[in-house]
Amino acid sequence: EVQLVESGGGVVRPGGSLRLSCAASGFTFDDHGMTWVRQAPGKGLEWVSGINWNGGSTGYADSVKGRFTISRDNAKNSLYLQMNSLRAEDTALYHCARDGGYDFAFDLWGPGTMVTVSS
Amino acid sequence: QSALTQPRSVSGSPGQSVTISCTGTSSDVGFYKYVSWYQQHPGKAPKLMIYDVTKRPSGVPDRFSGSKSGNTASLTISGLQAEDEAAYYCCSYAGSYSLVFGGGTKLTVL
Repeated sequence: EVQLVESGGGVVRPGGSLRLSCAASGFTFDDHGMTWVRQAPGKGLEWVSGINWNGGSTGYADSVKGRFTISRDNAKNSLYLQMNSLRAEDTALYHCARDGGYDFAFDLWGPGTMVTVSS
Repeated sequence: QSALTQPRSVSGSPGQSVTISCTGTSSDVGFYKYVSWYQQHPGKAPKLMIYDVTKRPSGVPDRFSGSKSGNTASLTISGLQAEDEAAYYCCSYAGSYSLVFGGGTKLTVL
């Protein structure tokens, strides 16, 4: 089955760290760029970070630049998001998504993993 | 990286057409052809409806169409159906491997 499944979310105190993972299956992972998109409770979608097929190009939203790091391991069919210096405003459901060869458009999404930053 | 501007809500009756606008700047929507639209039902992951301003992925009904003029992109849904009731988000490439979403539009089918 073609799918993405995120993991690694949880409750963390402000200033803490978390590492999210996204496991891909059912397709050739290294054929695709990948991205992280988050959605705060009751709010809209916010693009967080993206990476091309081989990790040679990455990008970050200004709101996370310098705190979050995206990476991938094509041998493990996995995408990661290392999140440091977490803030209350980082509280959200984090989705990973696949660029299906549509020029920065994402045709496959995971169900998301919830990150809550609270003291 | 300011969010693209969308109307908070739009509505229409079954069979009618509605258009959702998405206004950016000359650095994102106005400069790149990489505008996409997503449909999101409550509690579900987003679904890609339009990419490259006007193109539909396989499986998306041709009732959904996209366009762009200057810094504003638009999504038009014709022949409105009850199942179209959802939130819709536009998204644009903004250079340097970055993207920006719109704030989202809630479509109500009356």
